[in-house]
Amino acid sequence: KQEVTQIPAALSVPEGENLVLNCSFTDSAIYNLQWFRQDPGKGLTSLLLIQSSQREQTSGRLNASLDKSSGRSTLYIAASQPGDSATYLCAVRQLGSSNTGKLIFGQGTTLQVKP
Amino acid sequence: GAVVSQHPSRVICKSGTSVKIECRSLDFQATTMFWYRQFPKQSLMLMATSNEGSKATYEQGVEKDKFLINHASLTLSTLTVTSAHPEDSSFYICSAQKTTGGYGNTIYFGEGSWLTVV
Repeated sequence: KQEVTQIPAALSVPEGENLVLNCSFTDSAIYNLQWFRQDPGKGLTSLLLIQSSQREQTSGRLNASLDKSSGRSTLYIAASQPGDSATYLCAVRQLGSSNTGKLIFGQGTTLQVKP
Repeated sequence: GAVVSQHPSRVICKSGTSVKIECRSLDFQATTMFWYRQFPKQSLMLMATSNEGSKATYEQGVEKDKFLINHASLTLSTLTVTSAHPEDSSFYICSAQKTTGGYGNTIYFGEGSWLTVV
């Protein structure tokens, strides 16, 4: 059974710092991995999606990497800003299942960027 | 991009009553939709897979008779929380997969619905 774990659970950094959020998964048979942002009381915003054949994806100050064999992904945020404060979730889409659209989520990392 | 709409975004209901949450794909057809639940400070957990024209598939531990799912058309799935209790208070969010299915299609999420049972 696939399990997705995110470390740390919470993170507080001063503005301007570069930071890394970690996501690990137990079953490497994934189709893709996706990072989401969730603001308090809100839904999900998709940040980056990495297909299983890819190593990384970049969007602006965000860079996500994927090492499928080791079951790890990282989300790198450069030059953090207070507006980056949110909960970041990673989710994997599993292979080998008849339910092709099911996502399995990690517990999330709650980020606070202090001005 | 594709849009998935959920309604209502927030609802408060009395204990013992039922509440219905709608999930609509606005500009595409979705054979399959998914319902997730998120308790405070926890992650999203899949509750069930909603299949158009057939019965929903529930995850282990989710009560079928309490969380009724209907997917009567290719653009609408509904989740009804029956005889709601305070412990059902949670954030419910749906996602939808385009009709052609398979792994090649992006999953689109709704905005979520906050349910508070008093």
